[in-house]
Amino acid sequence: DQQVKQNSPSLSVQEGRISILNCDYTNSMFDYFLWYKKYPAEGPTFLISISSIKDKNEDGRFTVFLNKSAKHLSLHIVPSQPGDSAVYFCAARGGGGADGLTFGKGTHLIIQP
Amino acid sequence: DAGVIQSPRHEVTEMGQEVTLRCKPISGHNSLFWYRQTMMRGLELLIYFNNNVPIDDSGMPEDRFSAKMPNASFSTLKIQPSEPRDSAVYFCASSPGTFYTFGSGTRLTVV
Repeated sequence: DQQVKQNSPSLSVQEGRISILNCDYTNSMFDYFLWYKKYPAEGPTFLISISSIKDKNEDGRFTVFLNKSAKHLSLHIVPSQPGDSAVYFCAARGGGGADGLTFGKGTHLIIQP
Repeated sequence: DAGVIQSPRHEVTEMGQEVTLRCKPISGHNSLFWYRQTMMRGLELLIYFNNNVPIDDSGMPEDRFSAKMPNASFSTLKIQPSEPRDSAVYFCASSPGTFYTFGSGTRLTVV
């Protein structure tokens, strides 16, 4: 049973436009959410995070929104750039005391010129 | 800071053979995690250590899998005997707290 779900395996966006990546979770015990970015043949790298007590966190072109009542978070990238083409993983911490992060399956973002 | 170092980068082995994956975490990070990435299941947590002690190994798929952390600067993940369905990319990550730093992974192919 997947506790963190990314329902879109891939997303194609035109350069300069906004990219919106979505993530749903089922475990209300999660207290921290993170987004990781992964290029081919590399490990995932941390991008941005948000605590469960907040509903928005912004860092440059990247903004993460959290809707706790809907158990939904989203990552907005604006404007999208070619270097943003990568796989994006949503991750959550907590869920009963474990320190390990629970990851979604990822969304492959493709930025088209 | 060289980051999290994993070796080998690629491993091809025959079914039934023993496979050992290695990880050197970032100095000062007290938590170490082993993840497996497959197309079907995404990134799965296999086991994690805190201060060299295994805390949660509930993600280890079978007894064929074992992990050790003999000291703060080294960990191994061993599969014995290996099977084709173990083919995946295995990532090691270390953390001083919430934020992980991942290694580049080991791509394992069992034929």
